[in-house]
Amino acid sequence: RKEVEQDPGPFNVPEGATVAFNCTYSNSASQSFFWYRQDCRKEPKLLMSVYSSGNEDGRFTAQLNRASQYISLLIRDSKLSDSATYLCATEYGNKLVFGAGTILRVKS
Amino acid sequence: NAGVTQTPKFQVLKTGQSMTLQCAQDMNHNSMYWYRQDPGMGLRLIYYSASEGTTDKGEVPNGYNVSRLNKREFSLRLESAAPSQTSVYFCASLTGTGYEQYFGPGTRLTVT
Repeated sequence: RKEVEQDPGPFNVPEGATVAFNCTYSNSASQSFFWYRQDCRKEPKLLMSVYSSGNEDGRFTAQLNRASQYISLLIRDSKLSDSATYLCATEYGNKLVFGAGTILRVKS
Repeated sequence: NAGVTQTPKFQVLKTGQSMTLQCAQDMNHNSMYWYRQDPGMGLRLIYYSASEGTTDKGEVPNGYNVSRLNKREFSLRLESAAPSQTSVYFCASLTGTGYEQYFGPGTRLTVT
């Protein structure tokens, strides 16, 4: 089993929709979790950190479910500019382990 | 404040050639990382350096060497390039207050 797993998608949604991605992790000792956004042919950029039960930043909400070992990312009122690949990551020692990413396409 | 910089941005090598990818950060971070990213595989850790003077293997270290030249610079060397090393290479550094990593713009390497 991979340490961090994500549904690769793509998720195709209309503008204004609400969309959610899940990410499961295998290391129950992980304490820190992250969502990164990666645009085509660009580097990953940190979107949100999740250290406890959840975090909210505008239209974006990240939640952590330790019992089931997954984190989720909810995007409300999707914009065309939200189209990207979303990578989740968990801390493991002093390293991060990344999932392969979920592709989101927002269409007008 | 440039963040994390990488050179070169693009490189084409022939099988057996060697090259060094350069990475520098100006954020005074202790830890630095080298990843490769291949389609469908996500980011895979090649090597990392938790602090100046230390380096450790990651998930896919074979065929690579690294040097932590000083706190700012962390280089990745391919001694004898192989087509399987065709990939996008990202360098990253880690804040000291959490585990947030900041990435450089990447190097696109093709080995023919």
